[in-house]
Amino acid sequence: GNSVTQMEGPVTLSEEAFLTINCTYTATGYPSLFWYVQYPGEGLQLLLKATKADDKGSNKGFEATYRKETTSFHLEKGSVQVSDSAVYFCALVLQGGSEKLVFGKGTKLTVNP
Amino acid sequence: GAVVSQHPSRVICKSGTSVKIECRSLDFQATTMFWYRQFPKQSLMLMATSNEGSKATYEQGVEKDKFLINHASLTLSTLTVTSAHPEDSSFYICSARAPGLAGGTAQYFGPGTRLTVT
Repeated sequence: GNSVTQMEGPVTLSEEAFLTINCTYTATGYPSLFWYVQYPGEGLQLLLKATKADDKGSNKGFEATYRKETTSFHLEKGSVQVSDSAVYFCALVLQGGSEKLVFGKGTKLTVNP
Repeated sequence: GAVVSQHPSRVICKSGTSVKIECRSLDFQATTMFWYRQFPKQSLMLMATSNEGSKATYEQGVEKDKFLINHASLTLSTLTVTSAHPEDSSFYICSARAPGLAGGTAQYFGPGTRLTVT
């Protein structure tokens, strides 16, 4: 089946630290990959995406590269801010398939000043 | 662009009553909308896929007679929780797929509706 595995949180960092949230996937077909962010009290927002191998998605200083050989889509940011505190979800959808998003369990990030 | 709204944001109802939640795509037409349920500190669970003008497709284990979904137009889908019970208390989130945006594969999410059944 299709599944997404994220590193378990919570993750606590100091401001300006480097962030990595690991995400790996299994898919029966060719997936598009996404990172969504959920700020406290809000709904999910699309953070970035990649639709083919070696694509790099980027937004707001966050990056993730679609690695087909390792079936990974790790999220990185060079210098986190307090405002980045949120829950981050990795997700996939099969291209040409049912359009159902499959989510990881989410990783809660807290950034302290 | 690609804004999805939900109404209401919070609702409290008594056990046995029904509650309707609206999901609207504000600046695009969505032929497909999705309804999710999110439990505290957990991921989103897909409940059903809603296609405009046709019956919704429910995920295994989701009672279609309890969670009624109507997608009457390209910008509006509704979820009605019928005869609600305390165990239905949860955070309900809708999303809409936006053709032509993000390669057509991204879903844009509403802010969610917090349902509390007393």
